[in-house]
Amino acid sequence: QLVLTQSPSASASLGASVKLTCTLSSGHSSYAIAWHQQQPEKGPRYLMKLNGDGSHIKGDGIPDRFSGSSSGAERHLTISSLQSEDEADYYCQTWGAGTVEFGGGTKLTVL
Amino acid sequence: QLQLQESGPGLVKPSETLSLICTVSGGSIGSSNNYWGWVRQPPGKGLEWIGSIYYSGSTHYNLSLKNRVTISVDTSKSQFSLKLRSVTAADTAVYYCANHGSSSWIFDYWGQGTLVTVSS
Repeated sequence: QLVLTQSPSASASLGASVKLTCTLSSGHSSYAIAWHQQQPEKGPRYLMKLNGDGSHIKGDGIPDRFSGSSSGAERHLTISSLQSEDEADYYCQTWGAGTVEFGGGTKLTVL
Repeated sequence: QLQLQESGPGLVKPSETLSLICTVSGGSIGSSNNYWGWVRQPPGKGLEWIGSIYYSGSTHYNLSLKNRVTISVDTSKSQFSLKLRSVTAADTAVYYCANHGSSSWIFDYWGQGTLVTVSS
């Protein structure tokens, strides 16, 4: 079964970097995913598509501070030079066999 | 740039049918590379995919909702719609329409969302 696992919460200081992780279930370690950002009281915003080899394609207007990487079944979103507007929920998303799955989301707090 | 806008009643009674429309602009709903989907988010919870439709009418649904959901497309109006039957309070959520490709089912354009409350 295709499942994405995310830690419920993360925190980092203003100006620092943070690495969020999304883990693919067993047997699905090669799958590509997407990262989406949801700021408070707003709809989701597509950040990037992240492949199993770590290559990624960002959405329009996504700052260079956002980058992606992969290691085995883990897909990472790194945000550098954290700003207050980066405080948001971050969801990973993938697909397979005619279905779409979302991770449970990580709530990022910028201290 | 592609834009999507949800519309429909914000309040639905239990056991009735939830009906929403998504209007697409800035691109062709009939493009061969695009699927059109619905995603919902109950208050304080995460995102749940409901289903997706190709411009030809081919559909894919979340198995947990398949028995109650119908998604259809009207290319002449550049709209696609969602019907969810026999609703309960558990169907209260913000409903988003969104777009993904046919080869990569990544949602890269989202509507702003519309809150639908199920209550008598």
